[in-house]
Amino acid sequence: DVKVTQSSRYLVKRTGEKVFLECVQDMDHENMFWYRQDPGLGLRLIYFSYDVKMKEKGDIPEGYSVSREKKERFSLILESASTNQTSMYLCASSLARTGSRYGYTFGSGTRLTVV
Amino acid sequence: ELKVEQNPLFLSMQEGKNYTIYCNYSTTSDRLYWYRQDPGKSLESLFVLLSNGAVKQEGRLMASLDTKARLSTLHITAAVHDLSATYFCAVDTRNNNDMRFGAGTRLTVKP
Repeated sequence: DVKVTQSSRYLVKRTGEKVFLECVQDMDHENMFWYRQDPGLGLRLIYFSYDVKMKEKGDIPEGYSVSREKKERFSLILESASTNQTSMYLCASSLARTGSRYGYTFGSGTRLTVV
Repeated sequence: ELKVEQNPLFLSMQEGKNYTIYCNYSTTSDRLYWYRQDPGKSLESLFVLLSNGAVKQEGRLMASLDTKARLSTLHITAAVHDLSATYFCAVDTRNNNDMRFGAGTRLTVKP
């Protein structure tokens, strides 16, 4: 089974800190995604990547950046954390460019609190 | 822009009852996905619907897709407490760059 691992389940950071959220997948998927999940809003796409060193903005990229130096790892960076970035962050990967017949495989999520 | 709407957003039902969750989307797509999320957990893939008229069933859950109506349904038969979770539908965007998710339906099944 594909495994998508997010390094932290819970994080508490201070306003203004630089925050790194790490995601690693072990099935050689080319496509990786970062979503944030907020009550009543579903999942919103922050950034995605179809290849190493490649990134594309999703719907809400402001305040975030990403890094994909290796195929298996996709990092989300909050350059200067703010309280409105308190949320659940979900990483996903997929074999196909879209979900195709397999859908996405999600990590367990990181619940980030910015104080 | 593709919009995905689910309803209801909250659903409380008695064990043994039937109910349907609806997922409407705004632009052409023939790929729709249903996910389940338990509290504090990640999303688990339930169904992948890849064509008009597709129907998938797993236990007490059945999902269907009508691409002409831009509608998918998730039908729950004889609900049990273990089905309590949040259910999301998601649709591929037309330009095939990513999936758009509905807001989720929080289902609570009471004894």
